[in-house]
Amino acid sequence: DAKTTQPNSMESNEEEPVHLPCNHSTISGTDYIHWYRQLPSQGPEYVIHGLTSNVNNRMASLAIAEDRKSSTLILHRATLRDAAVYYCILRVSYNQGGKLIFGQGTELSVKP
Amino acid sequence: DTGVSQDPRHKITKRGQNVTFRCDPISEHNRLYWYRQTLGQGPEFLTYFQNEAQLEKSRLLSDRFSAERPKGSFSTLEIQRTEQGDSAMYLCASSPKVRVGNEQFFGPGTRLTVL
Repeated sequence: DAKTTQPNSMESNEEEPVHLPCNHSTISGTDYIHWYRQLPSQGPEYVIHGLTSNVNNRMASLAIAEDRKSSTLILHRATLRDAAVYYCILRVSYNQGGKLIFGQGTELSVKP
Repeated sequence: DTGVSQDPRHKITKRGQNVTFRCDPISEHNRLYWYRQTLGQGPEFLTYFQNEAQLEKSRLLSDRFSAERPKGSFSTLEIQRTEQGDSAMYLCASSPKVRVGNEQFFGPGTRLTVL
């Protein structure tokens, strides 16, 4: 499985945008980019996923570089509730039903 | 609430004892996953089921660990002869029939402490 690299931690101010980077230089053409987050004392929750095009949903946006070697999760207006560990995960298209391989993720703190 | 539920939420046991955890997935989700998470680390995959069939097991799942999903609904994870290194959060997740994206829905976890 291809590897992802994320900063260990980031800080943001409340109501400001947050850009969480992820490097995946060994990504293959069949790998989807998934993001999950884990709030304190909870199980992880799905945030968003994409393949090549940028994606938007109610929680966040995903910007994927043209060469797909990196991506950025964008929270448009951070709230205190967005403080969590964010995981960037690659999943091969033919194994969409299989396991998730988590790295250490980025711990996001949000200041009021 | 129709999310994934896990029982118990917390378990304290003495080394050498057996423990069993239960996971109830979201209704009609045919895939069920078990993960383990230690402090400061991301979750690690243990095993997963499609209906009642156990399709993959991690090398982390030693002989002391066994998981079942007898009727394709709830699942149990048993740890025999617990060791202090088994102390962790055990997470269960479920997902519907395979499709692109295939979001996994996680439960709140069972925190195991082995004394």
